Amino acid sequence: DVKVTQSSRYLVKRTGEKVFLECVQDMDHENMFWYRQDPGLGLRLIYFSYDVKMKEKGDIPEGYSVSREKKERFSLILESASTNQTSMYLCASSTLGGSSGHGETQYFGPGTRLLVL
Amino acid sequence: AQKITQTQPGMFVQEKEAVTLDCTYDTSDPSYGLFWYKQPSSGEMIFLIYQGSYDQQNATEGRYSLNFQKARKSANLVISASQLGDSAMYFCAMRQGSWGKLQFGAGTQVVVTP
Repeated sequence: DVKVTQSSRYLVKRTGEKVFLECVQDMDHENMFWYRQDPGLGLRLIYFSYDVKMKEKGDIPEGYSVSREKKERFSLILESASTNQTSMYLCASSTLGGSSGHGETQYFGPGTRLLVL
Repeated sequence: AQKITQTQPGMFVQEKEAVTLDCTYDTSDPSYGLFWYKQPSSGEMIFLIYQGSYDQQNATEGRYSLNFQKARKSANLVISASQLGDSAMYFCAMRQGSWGKLQFGAGTQVVVTP
């Protein structure tokens, strides 16, 4: 069974704190993704990685950074948390599926609900 | 720019009835993929069904089917024989680019009533 885990389901942090969100997948997937989800906006891509130590900006990378030191682990970092980063954060992974096919289906973790006070 | 539109913010459906969730997309890329995900109140995104742009037949997975109308750029999800457990938020998504990135619609909240 495919499995993506996230380090916390709920997290409360103070403004200005450095926040680490960890994601681990056990499917040997090449691609990993970080999204944030806000009501009415769907999911928006923050960063993604297609290989170890590789990263690419998504649609809303400002205020975030990522780290991928091992294939199975992809970390999202909020260098200095702000209240507008209060959101649901979802991690996903997928194989390299080429330009079509089920191989690119993304599998998601349970999400982390982050509250920044 | 590529875009996914789900015009129904929410809907009620009676148990055992079928429901259609609308999704339209906009892309100039001839090769793309369309996905539907379900998100229950627990928060996890569950993959339901996939349709490739070159697939000749509409995708089906159990009670889920995708009504793919390429010329109209629509990819509606049909859930047959609704169950109470189908109550959830449903997202339509489109693969963009060559790295499997997905762009999501805003979602449709479905509530199944007895």
